[in-house]
Amino acid sequence: GAVVSQHPSWVICKSGTSVKIECRSLDFQATTMFWYRQFPKQSLMLMATSNEGSKATYEQGVEKDKFLINHASLTLSTLTVTSAHPEDSSFYICSASEPTDTQYFGPGTRLTVL
Amino acid sequence: GQQLNQSPQSMFIQEGEDVSMNCTSSSIFNTWLWYKQDPGEGPVLLIALYKAGELTSNGRLTAQFGITRKDSFLNISASIPSDVGIYFCAGQQGAQKLVFGQGTRLTINP
Repeated sequence: GAVVSQHPSWVICKSGTSVKIECRSLDFQATTMFWYRQFPKQSLMLMATSNEGSKATYEQGVEKDKFLINHASLTLSTLTVTSAHPEDSSFYICSASEPTDTQYFGPGTRLTVL
Repeated sequence: GQQLNQSPQSMFIQEGEDVSMNCTSSSIFNTWLWYKQDPGEGPVLLIALYKAGELTSNGRLTAQFGITRKDSFLNISASIPSDVGIYFCAGQQGAQKLVFGQGTRLTINP
């Protein structure tokens, strides 16, 4: 149990385009989902916390207009990187929280912006 | 953002050796978690600790929640090649938000 999936697993896009990443909890309902970014050889940095049906809470320094988060159902959250630039290239990881508060992580999405 | 101090940053050991890593913080946490991340994958939960002083095992892994609630350690006994990866500690203060350590990269020589 407690499986979280992400799609796509990797994506390459041109500078200026937008990219959408999906995060799904497959076998449980997640009232809260989290989005992290991880640069090479670094730790995970929380970008935003997403509660189903409400606006996401962004961490300091994360642009909400650039990283759009939608959490429309208890099993799906999406992160859209708008007008992506090379510096947005990173490994994006979501996690979903069970009612017991344990966070389970997805396999990550590697974004490369050319 | 806030981070935990995790050490060592990297370890190079022989197969069969024991491993020890730890995390410290200036803040108190209600929960300590240890994750393992393989290259190109998301973190996988190894052990969760919920009470100060708690000592919990998961196979060859043992972790403890420090009495002060500001530290935790993870031990791996009799390391095997599949233990290779990056280990992260994470503290949770409530409201579900996790704060991660910088990670310990474990390399094992066969």
